[in-house]
Amino acid sequence: DAKTTQPNSMESNEEEPVHLPCNHSTISGTDYIHWYRQLPSQGPEYVIHGLTSNVNNRMASLAIAEDRKSSTLILHRATLRDAAVYYCILGNFNKFYFGSGTKLNVKP
Amino acid sequence: KAGVTQTPRYLIKTRGQQVTLSCSPISGHRSVSWYQQTPGQGLQFLFEYFSETQRNKGNFPGRFSGRQFSNSRSEMNVSTLELGDSALYLCASSLAGGPLQPQHFGDGTRLSIL
Repeated sequence: DAKTTQPNSMESNEEEPVHLPCNHSTISGTDYIHWYRQLPSQGPEYVIHGLTSNVNNRMASLAIAEDRKSSTLILHRATLRDAAVYYCILGNFNKFYFGSGTKLNVKP
Repeated sequence: KAGVTQTPRYLIKTRGQQVTLSCSPISGHRSVSWYQQTPGQGLQFLFEYFSETQRNKGNFPGRFSGRQFSNSRSEMNVSTLELGDSALYLCASSLAGGPLQPQHFGDGTRLSIL
């Protein structure tokens, strides 16, 4: 099973950008890179996904390394509501393998 | 638009019993996946159903089973419950599955085994 490695926790100040890294050195050519986040007492919420090119949506940006062995989720201006556990996941067909995630703390 | 609904939200059982959890996907979604979340193992994929057929399966023992009905609602069954089955069980739905489609998660059923 493809695996991802993320820092256990990160801290950010409100209104500042946040870069959440993820390593996935065993990624296969057909694995998509997905990011989900989970707020306390809730199920995970979709953030963004991509295959090879960088992606942007209203929530975040996803930067994918040229060799696809790592990626970075970018929150352009962190808010208190962005405090959550962020999961970097490799998805192939409909099997998603969640790593342990990064707990993001946002300071006011 | 209603989200994914899981019932019940909380459940307490004893070892050896069996349990059935229910998931109603978002209207129009035909793929339903189940996950187990524990503090030690994190989120682990159980299985995925599409059009009433199990299409993908994770690495869980046969005590964990599921099914999907013609209206896409899904149930998950765990037989001969063990203490280690205590977890948050999450259901997620998507239009047709596949890596291109976001999964929409419910808030889970918290199962406690005494």
